[in-house]
Parts: sequence; structure tokens; C-alpha cells
Amino acid sequence: EADIYQTPRYLVIGTGKKITLECSQTMGHDKMYWYQQDPGMELHLIHYSYGVNSTEKGDLSSESTVSRIRTEHFPLTLESARPSHTSQYLCASSEETGQRLNTEAFFGQGTRLTVV
Amino acid sequence: AQRVTQPEKLLSVFKGAPVELKCNYSYSGSPELFWYVQYSRQRLQLLLRHISRESIKGFTADLNKGETSFHLKKPFAQEEDSAMYYCALRPHGNTGKLIFGQGTTLQVKP
Repeated sequence: EADIYQTPRYLVIGTGKKITLECSQTMGHDKMYWYQQDPGMELHLIHYSYGVNSTEKGDLSSESTVSRIRTEHFPLTLESARPSHTSQYLCASSEETGQRLNTEAFFGQGTRLTVV
Repeated sequence: AQRVTQPEKLLSVFKGAPVELKCNYSYSGSPELFWYVQYSRQRLQLLLRHISRESIKGFTADLNKGETSFHLKKPFAQEEDSAMYYCALRPHGNTGKLIFGQGTTLQVKP
């Protein structure tokens, strides 16, 4: 079944650790995104990719990095986690068909990260 | 600056009452506007988009360019409408990226 998957759902980790949040989609979409959401706040775009080997920074500055080596995989990495990185991270994908009606973004379940 | 504002964090109504979730945007061009919904323990999903002028689950939203608003309305709320609702803007020509409001929690009481 076509879907977008994020793992882990929840992660509690100590300061200074390196972490990778996984995101995979089986929808065949070229475009993928990472959003960050603090409790009670709006989602902010931190990274996006329009295809393999294409990654760009989003509107909100983030110390995380991403890679896009395969179409279906868009992992996010924090080299040294800090308490300020505590947040929810949402991965999404979309397909641009040239018709504006089809620009729906599909979201994963999210990863709730807590850095202690 | 591009911005989406949802002035209400929480909207609480009784079942059968009309609902209006407010959304105002700031954008100089022609945006695309969306409403996304997140039900309890489910992922964020698209509810409706202004360009298709559709009614989904009884909800409608009209883009008012003069007032820069895209309010979500339903004439008779149901308990299953209780969820978090996000208004989002997609700048014209900017494929895929979305600018979200802070979200409004809709609570429909029996």
C-alpha cells in the first residue's frame, strides 16, 4: 500500500548524541519535506527535496541535515542533539503533475524527539 | 511577509451548532490555500483546497481575496469533527512548500 513512514515514533535521547530520523515513502513522489512543530505552534519547513541529490534549506533555520540518495528515502540527521532540538518532526511528500489540483502533501505519523 | 494566522487556539461548540474556523493570510501574489486536519492519534491530512471549490465532510471554505481570508465553515457540527485544523498557504509558483497557521482545536460537545 502506498504510504509514507516515519521511524521512530518517539525518541528520548541524551545531549550530544547523533540521531537520524527516518522517512520513507512508497508513493513514487519526487518531492519530500521535513517540518518541525513545537507544541501549540505552527509547522515550519526546515528541509525539502525535489528529487534525488537535491536538498534545500527551508524557511526555519535548523542545525539538522538531510540527504536524498534514493527517491523513496529522506532521512534527517542531528550530529549532536541538544535540548533545544526537542520537538515533533513531520515528514511529507507530494507530487507535482503540472495541475494545481494535485498538489496535495501527504504526511507521515511524525517523530516526537525529546533531548534530555 | 508570507504568513497564515489562525486567531483561535480552541473553538468549542455543541453538536448541531454552526462552526467557523478563521484563517487570514498575508501574501502579495495569488496563493493556493488549504485546510489540513489531524484527528486524534491520526496523521495530518488534507481536508480541502480552495482551488477545487469542494465540500468535504460538510465543510466548505471560500477564498476572500479582499479580506485575505479563507475561513472554514460547517453549518451543523458533529462530534466526529473534533480535531486539530490547520490552514496552509502554498505560494504561487513555489511547488509543494506550505506555510501553516498555528492551528485551531475544534471541540464538538454532545
